[in-house]
Amino acid sequence: QSALTQPPSASGSPGQSVTISCTGTSSDVGGYNYVSWYQQHPGKAPKLMIYDVSNRPSGVPDRFFGSKSGNTASLTVSGLQAEDEADYYCSSYAGSNNPYVFGTGTKVTVL
Amino acid sequence: QITLKESGPTLVKPTQTLTLTCVFSGFSLSTSGVGVGWIRQPPGKALEWLALIYWDDDKLYTPALESRLTITKDTSKNQVVLTMTNMDPLDTATYYCAHRPVAGRGRFDYWGQGTLVTVSS
Repeated sequence: QSALTQPPSASGSPGQSVTISCTGTSSDVGGYNYVSWYQQHPGKAPKLMIYDVSNRPSGVPDRFFGSKSGNTASLTVSGLQAEDEADYYCSSYAGSNNPYVFGTGTKVTVL
Repeated sequence: QITLKESGPTLVKPTQTLTLTCVFSGFSLSTSGVGVGWIRQPPGKALEWLALIYWDDDKLYTPALESRLTITKDTSKNQVVLTMTNMDPLDTATYYCAHRPVAGRGRFDYWGQGTLVTVSS
């Protein structure tokens, strides 16, 4: 099972929006509505930001929006803030025997 | 409130066996649907899922490392243990344990702080 493909980097100015893609296959992203997104600040553990493609856990700002089309999922962060600068990883369910496939990660820079 | 914390050696030699312990609180691993997983992250690299144990003792491993991994649980002690045999310098990474919620297919909602394991002679 190969890792999901993400762009290495993305950036935006404060207040702007940035969108990160996560491309998989019909065996993972395209086959299930179980895509998650994690935010990771340097030296910290990942934090769940989106689950089941578009659901936000309690406490996650509604500036974070998840979506999916075919084999590609996306995370959009609107109204960028300095605290949003971090690495972001997508993850997808890929079947009962391989429940977690992570993406390659995207570093988001707030200019 | 759910918390998890990993512990284990910070340095292991090549070919040795690594044993990591995850101690958790705020949930029970006897609750139907709950699981605890292990994920690692080499320095500067991406996350990689390793193993998952469910409340019913069902166990899953990433196919590439399945022959080297064993995950077990002690429900009474709120602990999950991961062993990895035949360690190699390429296994140097921060190892995280994380909580898989009920009906939480494909996600981990709480993570430990991670523990850095270096493999070197």
